[in-house]
Amino acid sequence: SAVISQKPSRDICQRGTSLTIQCQVDSQVTMMFWYRQQPGQSLTLIATANQGSEATYESGFVIDKFPISRPNLTFSTLTVSNMSPEDSSIYLCSVYLWTSQETQYFGPGTRLLVL
Amino acid sequence: QKEVEQNSGPLSVPEGAIASLNCTYSDRGSQSFFWYRQYSGKSPELIMFIYSNGDKEDGRFTAQLNKASQYVSLLIRDSQPSDSATYLCAVGGNFGNEKLTFGTGTRLTIIP
Repeated sequence: SAVISQKPSRDICQRGTSLTIQCQVDSQVTMMFWYRQQPGQSLTLIATANQGSEATYESGFVIDKFPISRPNLTFSTLTVSNMSPEDSSIYLCSVYLWTSQETQYFGPGTRLLVL
Repeated sequence: QKEVEQNSGPLSVPEGAIASLNCTYSDRGSQSFFWYRQYSGKSPELIMFIYSNGDKEDGRFTAQLNKASQYVSLLIRDSQPSDSATYLCAVGGNFGNEKLTFGTGTRLTIIP
């Protein structure tokens, strides 16, 4: 089965700075998804990233705050810009993989704390 | 606005008993249904998916889907302490490459 990795696994950042999170999949996938999970909450989809086109953002999320790159079929980055303490969350990338059906699998997540 | 609702718990179940987790969804057009298990500090792990009405069994886990009632459940038989986790229900559209809407999760504790 494919492996999904994320870097960094965790980080502590200062208010006003930016952090870029990387997601690498060891097989080619059409779409990659970026989620946020705030403390004690469920998962909220930030955006869907297709290779070769602009990401599609969900309501409440904008490109200036969460720019996404998708340079090829195995890699994506999410940047959290001009961070505030409210951005402290786990950020997860996910992809659809074919096993017996196409199902969505998650990377290990990036734990971000903004001071 | 698609909604997925779960009882947040905590749900406490004695070891060896059956744990029953429930989920309702608002979008009648939903086609795919998933249960994820999330241990504290870890990312969600897919444990079951179901697309058709009825029951689907995989080891100690059974997923049940009733599209008419817009209801999906997960049964865990012979509950073990290692089953203690938060269980997330997720609902999607047609097969493949569809974004999922997640419930808030039910925290399950298995009591030895």
